[in-house]
Amino acid sequence: LAKTTQPISMDSYEGQEVNITCSHNNIATNDYITWYQQFPSQGPRFIIQGYKTKVTNEVASLFIPADRKSSTLSLPRVSLSDTAVYYCLVGAYGGATNKLIFGTGTLLAVQP
Amino acid sequence: NAGVTQTPKFRILKIGQSMTLQCTQDMNHNYMYWYRQDPGMGLKLIYYSVGAGITDKGEVPNGYNVSRSTTEDFPLRLELAAPSQTSVYFCASLTGGEQFFGPGTRLTVL
Repeated sequence: LAKTTQPISMDSYEGQEVNITCSHNNIATNDYITWYQQFPSQGPRFIIQGYKTKVTNEVASLFIPADRKSSTLSLPRVSLSDTAVYYCLVGAYGGATNKLIFGTGTLLAVQP
Repeated sequence: NAGVTQTPKFRILKIGQSMTLQCTQDMNHNYMYWYRQDPGMGLKLIYYSVGAGITDKGEVPNGYNVSRSTTEDFPLRLELAAPSQTSVYFCASLTGGEQFFGPGTRLTVL
């Protein structure tokens, strides 16, 4: 199972772009990279998922280099409501390995 | 669709008591998960299931049991509650690589 490493916390200001990097040196060939957002007293919520290169949706972008040993979640123009914990999750789906283990997460604090 | 629902929302148990945390999903997902989250910490995987009748241990299974008799339901059983099991418990289902989480059950063992 790939172990993930993220910064414990990050600070930003409203309107800035935020990049959160996750290291996963032992990622397996079949593993995908998924990012979740969690607000206090709520369950995590899916943000974005990718396998390689770049993925973009309406809220974020995910950059994955060719060796796939790390990934970067990019949040454009953050607002106060983006203050939350962000988790990077690495795992394979639908195969023999279905354990989905969360890392410690990154607490993003957005200030006005 | 209601998504993933969990009951109860809150519960206080005495040491040694037993209870079942209920989890139901109406999205026909095969994969379901139970996590616990201690204050200020990340989520720890307790048990998971890849379909009805199939369950497996996660990172922290001791003190818990699960069953999966239907696709919809995935109850988590605590047999002898201990203070170390005070936590928030989240149930999730999975499809297409995306997990859908329930609102959680906040459990306190005194």
